[in-house]
Amino acid sequence: AQSVTQLDSHVSVSEGTPVLLRCNYSSSYSPSLFWYVQHPNKGLQLLLKYTSAATLVKGINGFEAEFKKSETSFHLTKPSAHMSDAAEYFCVVSGLNSGGYQKVTFGTGTKLQVIP
Amino acid sequence: DAGVIQSPRHEVTEMGQEVTLRCKPISGHNSLFWYRQTMMRGLELLIYFNNNVPIDDSGMPEDRFSAKMPNASFSTLKIQPSEPRDSAVYFCASSFPDINEQFFGPGTRLTVL
Repeated sequence: AQSVTQLDSHVSVSEGTPVLLRCNYSSSYSPSLFWYVQHPNKGLQLLLKYTSAATLVKGINGFEAEFKKSETSFHLTKPSAHMSDAAEYFCVVSGLNSGGYQKVTFGTGTKLQVIP
Repeated sequence: DAGVIQSPRHEVTEMGQEVTLRCKPISGHNSLFWYRQTMMRGLELLIYFNNNVPIDDSGMPEDRFSAKMPNASFSTLKIQPSEPRDSAVYFCASSFPDINEQFFGPGTRLTVL
């Protein structure tokens, strides 16, 4: 079984303050984990990915995430929010099922609001 | 590479009409996914192809929906007959199966009146 939980549907921060978007997952296999960003009326863009290498993953636009197996978490952070970060963020877990095929599960998304 | 290409970008149709959405994956990718996104239900995986073969279609909502992938460079999602509740943004994504990273197209915004 595989699932992903994004703990906050909405997060609001002031410009220049840190961002924390939370994600917890469960997987029967060694998963790959991703964060995608979706700006209004746009498609989804990959921010960063964890695929069993370094547990601290750096992505685009200053975002990073840390894979913590003991906590089954993959929280997304950024030291200082910018107005252009306002978007919806999706945490994704991916692994191979018993048939050897990819099983992908998206979280429900977290909408980030950045206040000037 | 131009990325994943979807057409049309916008479609407005009347209830009962047939709708066909098209997707061209990134060259060399052999996994293809169709998703639907609505405000109420979020992002839902409809169907997943690997090497042109449907692997998981458990997300297809009902028999009115069908998807095909006749070759590695083209896929269609068809709704017949369409209903207002099918109004959504439909995304296509492609990937290499052993890398897992999906590349998304820009989406097709479907409105059924």
